[in-house]
This record gives sequence, structure tokens and C-alpha cells, in this order.
Amino acid sequence: DSGVTQTPKHLITATGQRVTLRCSPRSGDLSVYWYQQSLDQGLQFLIQYYNGEERAKGNILERFSAQQFPDLHSELNLSSLELGDSALYFCASSVGDRANSPLHFGNGTRLTVT
Amino acid sequence: SQQGEEDPQALSIQEGENATMNCSYKTSINNLQWYRQNSGRGLVHLILIRSNEREKHSGRLRVTLDTSKKSSSLLITASRAADTASYFCATPPLSGAGGTSYGKLTFGQGTILTVHP
Repeated sequence: DSGVTQTPKHLITATGQRVTLRCSPRSGDLSVYWYQQSLDQGLQFLIQYYNGEERAKGNILERFSAQQFPDLHSELNLSSLELGDSALYFCASSVGDRANSPLHFGNGTRLTVT
Repeated sequence: SQQGEEDPQALSIQEGENATMNCSYKTSINNLQWYRQNSGRGLVHLILIRSNEREKHSGRLRVTLDTSKKSSSLLITASRAADTASYFCATPPLSGAGGTSYGKLTFGQGTILTVHP
């Protein structure tokens, strides 16, 4: 058990809708990262937050947004959903804000857009 | 584009055999990390090797790093059916000062390892 909790585990929704994915990091970790995993694109880094502040941005679409709250949990909001947004969305956490320590991954949220 | 590329894409072996996976990357790195992913689950960190290290061991895992060739290998000895998973290498970006930048770990496409009992 990595200590990272993601909810929900599965999400099925229709095109055009908006969903929110939630992540609770491992106790003591201040950084939260969001990744998208699909068969054709592999694991794509979306965004990183550290202690409430955005630290790094990757291939995150404008339709997607994220935030990290004072209690350090994070939410990833996906709006105007398209079929191509169907993927596994992972949250990971680490102690620091640099990529020089291991990332601890949750078990992901599987999003299906129909 | 992916920073790390694993080779082979898929590997099928019998229990007890050794499994070797390779990773090549394109830019200078401060460290390289290996992760395992069981089907449909989150990634699990296996080992981190720093750029000034050439070899690192953890249990049945042995990782080598050759910065001159921009490559790394992961060796799993005496494999077990439970080792069946996808294995990814991941590299972080360097900051302008040569240290590790913020946490944008870039993952390769992975090697799918199947260990037959």
C-alpha cells in the first residue's frame, strides 16, 4: 500500500460532461503529481503541486485544471470531456518538490467517456 | 516525446530465469528511476540510481547506469511468476544549475515482462 488514496476508482460519463478526481497524498508528502496513462500516449505528466502551489506543468489541456488544498489533498477537474480523455489518471506524491526522490502512486481512477 | 525508451517492448521467460530490460534516454540526467506496474494498478518505485553511481542492488534487482551511453539496465534474477508486470524507467529534467528540477518525471513506454510458472 503506497499510502496514496484516489477516488473514485472508476468513472463513466458522457462527452461534454465535467468530472472531479480526488487524491490524498501519503502522510508527510507535500508534492502531488497528476499523470494520465493511455495505450497510445503512455504515461503523460500533467501537473505538479507542492504545498499548495503549482510547481510544474506538462501536457495538461486547457479543459483540465487542478489544485492542491491546505490539507494537501488535490483535485483534478476535467471538463468538456471528449472520447479521447478516456484513460487511467494517476496521482502520485513525494516528500520534496524535486524529482530526486521516489514517487508514490495511487491505484488510479479509470475514466471512461462514452 | 518520451525521454526514456525501454527495450525490449515485451519479454517472456520461465520462472527461475533472469530478465534483463534496457532503457535509453536522450538528455543528461541527475538520476534515473525504475518502476513496476501490475496490470491496472499504480506504479511502484523499485530503485533510484544517481548519475554518479554505476551499479545498484536491491534484493533480486540489479540496476546499472552508463551515462556515456545514456543507458540503464534492470536485471531481475531468479524471476518468479509474481514478477509479471510492466517495468518503466523514468528520468527527471535537469535544472539550469545542473541539479534536479521540479518533479516532471518522464516515463518510457515500458517493458511488459511475463514470467511463466
